[in-house]
This record gives sequence, C-alpha cells and structure tokens, in this order.
Amino acid sequence: GAVVSQHPSRVICKSGTSVKIECRSLDFQATTMFWYRQFPKQSLMLMATSNEGSKATYEQGVEKDKFLINHASLTLSTLTVTSAHPEDSSFYICSARGRGIGQTSYEQYFGPGTRLTVT
Amino acid sequence: GQNIDQPTEMTATEGAIVQINCTYQTSGFNGLFWYQQHAGEAPTFLSYNVLDGLEEKGRFSSFLSRSKGYSYLLLKELQMKDSASYLCAVRERRKLIFGQGTELSVKP
Repeated sequence: GAVVSQHPSRVICKSGTSVKIECRSLDFQATTMFWYRQFPKQSLMLMATSNEGSKATYEQGVEKDKFLINHASLTLSTLTVTSAHPEDSSFYICSARGRGIGQTSYEQYFGPGTRLTVT
Repeated sequence: GQNIDQPTEMTATEGAIVQINCTYQTSGFNGLFWYQQHAGEAPTFLSYNVLDGLEEKGRFSSFLSRSKGYSYLLLKELQMKDSASYLCAVRERRKLIFGQGTELSVKP
C-alpha cells in the first residue's frame, strides 16, 4: 500500500519560535496533500489543501500567515507553524492523494502524525 | 456547509456485533469513508462507499443510503483490539470532512 511519512513524530518548542513539519509520499506521486489538526478527544479538522506547484487553499478560520504550507514537489509538502503559541499544541496529520502503481483514485493516505507541544 | 453526526461513545462485548451510525448533510457528495484510529496514531482506512448498498470486507461492513444521508459501519466478532475511535468522513468535492468520531470500547 501507499506510504506517507511525517517528520518529526514529536517536537517540543518554545513559545514564539517556528516549527517545520515535513510530509512525504514514499512510493507514489502526491498531486494533492491535506493538512489536518486534531485536538485531544476531537476529530480531524482540515486546515488546508495543497496541490503541487500551487498555493494552498486554507479552510475558514485558519490563518495562512501563521500556518505556511509549501508543496514544492510531488513527494513533499511542509507545514511551518510560525510564532508558535501554547494553543497551537496539537496533533498534526498530513494526508495525500495521487497517482502510482496500485493507487485507487478515491483513497487518501495518512501520515503517522506529528505531536507538537509549545511551552 | 457540512454536518456529520455520529455517536460519541459506544460499548460492546467481545465476540458481539456492533453498528456505528453516521448521518450527514453536505453539498457535492463524492463518497463516504470509514476510518479506524487508535489513540495517538493516524487514521487507517476501513471502507469506502459511493453508491447505495452494503460493502463487505471481512469482519467489517459499511452501508450507504445517499437519499437518507445515512451510513453505518458494522463490526462482527468483536475483538479487544477493535477498541478505537471510528471516524466517518464524507468527501465533498475534493475535500475529506470528518465527523467527531465514535469511541468504541470492547469489554471482555
């Protein structure tokens, strides 16, 4: 099956600093990547959708200047949380759709998630 | 906008059958997914329905009625490892929108 990796799996940073999270599709070309945020005991909330080579589309209420998304290649997307604050502490999960051997047209493949803690 | 509802919690006994319901209201419906998520991990794909009817895959089955905006996930022969959160998600055009999830506890 398709594999999506995320790095780092856990990160602790100080308030006011920036953190970059990488999402990679390992065995397929991800034409579209999605970034989700999940708070404890809650479901996944879509933050933004990005297509390779174009600007991300952000969901209502998500600050695009705070959550910078770059999808520069068909296998890599990055999410940078700028000027992080404790309320940004959450589980960030990326997901990808794309094309490759054995891919279904409808399925999204999820990365293992990144636990961000801002102190 | 979209609205996806599922029960917050359910409890069932090992070996039994449990049905988790999901109702939705959305525009641009393009399929319904069920995912399983263990605490601290990413969701894993269970099933996909785009046409009305029942899809069966081993111990898991999923049903869809588009006219009613309704789906259910049926888990048979429950095992302790099935204790997890089950997420109903609707594809609206190209976006996958998740319900709040149902926390299933399987008791011995």
